[in-house]
Amino acid sequence: DAKTTQPTSMDCAEGRAANLPCNHSTISGNEYVYWYRQIHSQGPQYIIHGLKNNETNEMASLIITEDRKSSTLILPHATLRDTAVYYCIVSLGDDKIIFGKGTRLHILP
Amino acid sequence: NAGVTQTPKFRVLKTGQSMTLLCAQDMNHEYMYWYRQDPGMGLRLIHYSVGEGTTAKGEVPDGYNVSRLKKQNFLLGLESAAPSQTSVYFCASSPWVEPSASSYNEQFFGPGTRLTVL
Repeated sequence: DAKTTQPTSMDCAEGRAANLPCNHSTISGNEYVYWYRQIHSQGPQYIIHGLKNNETNEMASLIITEDRKSSTLILPHATLRDTAVYYCIVSLGDDKIIFGKGTRLHILP
Repeated sequence: NAGVTQTPKFRVLKTGQSMTLLCAQDMNHEYMYWYRQDPGMGLRLIHYSVGEGTTAKGEVPDGYNVSRLKKQNFLLGLESAAPSQTSVYFCASSPWVEPSASSYNEQFFGPGTRLTVL
């Protein structure tokens, strides 16, 4: 599986859009980009994933660059409950996924 | 549905003791996984299973064994616990779906087991 690079931490004001970047320059053509988040002491929670196209669901949007070497997770209106560690993962998706250290997102009131 | 459950929630062991962690899922998922998480670290995959009767090694399999005798259960065993195995253990499961499906390899996690080895 390809490795990813994420900032260690980020701050975002409550009510604003949170944009979390991820670099995955060695991604292969059939690997997906997944995002999970982990709220303190809980198990991780799936957010969204994509292959080539941008994706949106009720939680977030995923923007993948045309060369697929980077992506951005967007939380459109961040709330205090979005404070968590966000993991960007690339994977073939057929079995295992490998978590890195993620980005610790702080939502500021 | 209870989703993914883990037993026990907390456990303290002495070095050299053995124990088994139980993960159960009621979603009829094909795949199941065991992870460990140490302070300030992301999750690391220990072992996983792609179906009943199958197991495979993840990133950090040494010191652990697993079994998947029933589809709904995935057991993680520590034969001789060591202080380095003090960690929070998470179990997860995911369904088999077509790669084009919106839920492709979405993993559902349990609440975790906090294990301390003295």
